[in-house]
Amino acid sequence: QQQVKQSPQSLIVQKGGISIINCAYENTAFDYFPWYQQFPGKGPALLIAIRPDVSEKKEGRFTISFNKSAKQFSLHIMDSQPGDSATYFCAASSTGNQFYFGTGTSLTVIP
Amino acid sequence: NAGVTQTPKFRILKIGQSMTLQCTQDMNHNYMYWYRQDPGMGLKLIYYSVGAGITDKGEVPNGYNVSRSTTEDFPLRLELAAPSQTSVYFCASTPLGGRGAFFGQGTRLTVV
Repeated sequence: QQQVKQSPQSLIVQKGGISIINCAYENTAFDYFPWYQQFPGKGPALLIAIRPDVSEKKEGRFTISFNKSAKQFSLHIMDSQPGDSATYFCAASSTGNQFYFGTGTSLTVIP
Repeated sequence: NAGVTQTPKFRILKIGQSMTLQCTQDMNHNYMYWYRQDPGMGLKLIYYSVGAGITDKGEVPNGYNVSRSTTEDFPLRLELAAPSQTSVYFCASTPLGGRGAFFGQGTRLTVV
């Protein structure tokens, strides 16, 4: 079964708007939650990550919000730019470094 | 800084043929992984390795084999190619204690 559920499958946002992608998990042993960005023809690249001892982490225009009790986490992209158009994957892992990925969200930012 | 290097980038195989996807990393990372990426399915773990001489199955290991004789190399072997193995394959690595994975550029494999 899918260990990490991601939504939406695709997202279209106007330039300058906020993009929000959501993920949910069931395994409470997960203790590391990264987000990856993937451009066409490239491998995924680590964007930002959070551990469950904090509720929010911000790096530039990218913010992860984490809700441990609901077992949900989300990626917020503020002031979205056309260059942010890519596929975004959430993931989760526990000690032992096995990563489980969401199914991906294709983001298109319209100029 | 090469990072994680995968070869080949593209390959077309006939049903029943065999091939090896190569993966090399120059970051001295302990952990290495093979994923396959199918449209709408995200990345599925095929095999992983926590160090030279140690490998283990992931979510979708059937039809594949791996070996890890050195820290740097982690080849993926397809013995009898099937159309269901048409996919994009990614190799990745992480350092001991680290969590962020570094990915290669991928190998697009088509089995016809």
